[in-house]
Amino acid sequence: QKEVEQDPGPLSVPEGAIVSLNCTYSNSAFQYFMWYRQYSRKGPELLMYTYSSGNKEDGRFTAQVDKSSKYISLFIRDSQPSDSATYLCAMSGRTGNQFYFGTGTSLTVIP
Amino acid sequence: GAVVSQHPSRVICKSGTSVKIECRSLDFQATTMFWYRQFPKQSLMLMATSNEGSKATYEQGVEKDKFLINHASLTLSTLTVTSAHPEDSSFYICSARAGRTDTQYFGPGTRLTVL
Repeated sequence: QKEVEQDPGPLSVPEGAIVSLNCTYSNSAFQYFMWYRQYSRKGPELLMYTYSSGNKEDGRFTAQVDKSSKYISLFIRDSQPSDSATYLCAMSGRTGNQFYFGTGTSLTVIP
Repeated sequence: GAVVSQHPSRVICKSGTSVKIECRSLDFQATTMFWYRQFPKQSLMLMATSNEGSKATYEQGVEKDKFLINHASLTLSTLTVTSAHPEDSSFYICSARAGRTDTQYFGPGTRLTVL
């Protein structure tokens, strides 16, 4: 079983839709959860960073962590064509260096 | 936010030559830097982790004599692909971790093409 599972998509939505991206994980020691956005041929860009369970909102983006279910989500409200990218979830445990990435979900927002 | 740069952004070289890629943290000191490889439409593959002043830790299957990593200072790490071959053509991305934070900041990537 992989440490982190993420549906690769592709996901295609109309402009203005609410997008839900999800990852599940198996290691209960994970404490830090991140979402990255990667445009084609570019390095990943940190979008959201959360510690432990709960919600965090930043503009149109909301990150949600449910540690009891080992499930994290990223919601994008009022999606825009510029949101079209691959979204990677990532997580790490208390001891630091070991990071685990999902395979990424490809999102296309159609104007 | 934290900025990581990579140089060069793109390099084309002949088979058998060596290529050096630089990764710099511009506005913070990176205690740890990571090197990844990414093939088209695939996720990141961690190659190695390097801490300033010590030897890099390589992932299983990554040849340390082929991919030389030097983390000479808290703001600079280099990856040298030695005797490059066409199968080494890929997108190489570095990232840096600042202090005790538990997140990584990525560079823009370097596209290597070996002819």
